[in-house]
Amino acid sequence: KAGVTQTPRYLIKTRGQQVTLSCSPISGHRSVSWYQQTPGQGLQFLFEYFSETQRNKGNFPGRFSGRQFSNSRSEMNVSTLELGDSALYLCASSLDVGTYNEQFFGPGTRLTVL
Amino acid sequence: DQQVKQNSPSLSVQEGRISILNCDYTNSMFDYFLWYKKYPAEGPTFLISISSIKDKNEDGRFTVFLNKSAKHLSLHIVPSQPGDSAVYFCAASGLTGGSQGNLIFGKGTKLSVKP
Repeated sequence: KAGVTQTPRYLIKTRGQQVTLSCSPISGHRSVSWYQQTPGQGLQFLFEYFSETQRNKGNFPGRFSGRQFSNSRSEMNVSTLELGDSALYLCASSLDVGTYNEQFFGPGTRLTVL
Repeated sequence: DQQVKQNSPSLSVQEGRISILNCDYTNSMFDYFLWYKKYPAEGPTFLISISSIKDKNEDGRFTVFLNKSAKHLSLHIVPSQPGDSAVYFCAASGLTGGSQGNLIFGKGTKLSVKP
């Protein structure tokens, strides 16, 4: 079974631009979450989607948005990029929501903002 | 304000000895705790978890202990192997309807196991 895939793996953008990152969950998984990893803040929760609906949102500005499609694939978008948005963006999928549904992480997209 | 804290950024252990990684949390509403391992250029992988109704969970060489009164958990790896060298993240859930899709992570501890 293929794991969680994220595209692109690496991305370089300049301040003010916008970016869209993509995540394909494991086949059959309906829940997708996004996390941002930076050296200073560690792993921080961005959003959680289930059945095309955002269930939870982390403490990030409105420049960060996401969506989930009917096939459970998800995208996240960052508009008006800032230098501080440089980070590893991780996507995770799980079969369902609920405490005991293990999350499986993708390898991440490394975003560099110049 | 960090709700999950891993106060040791790094830990070095000799092969065959015990590795003990620590984690503290501040929110008593957390009801499920997890440990993840992360190698460079890969996403975190689930290692072991524990529910707040338990104080110990064991899986092979890995044991997680939970002390609710102290809001502290620890991961024990016995015996440690060089392949265990990675960054270990402690995570907690339970604040938003019991979903693992909204985990609060610590900043990680880099474990180095020397042969």
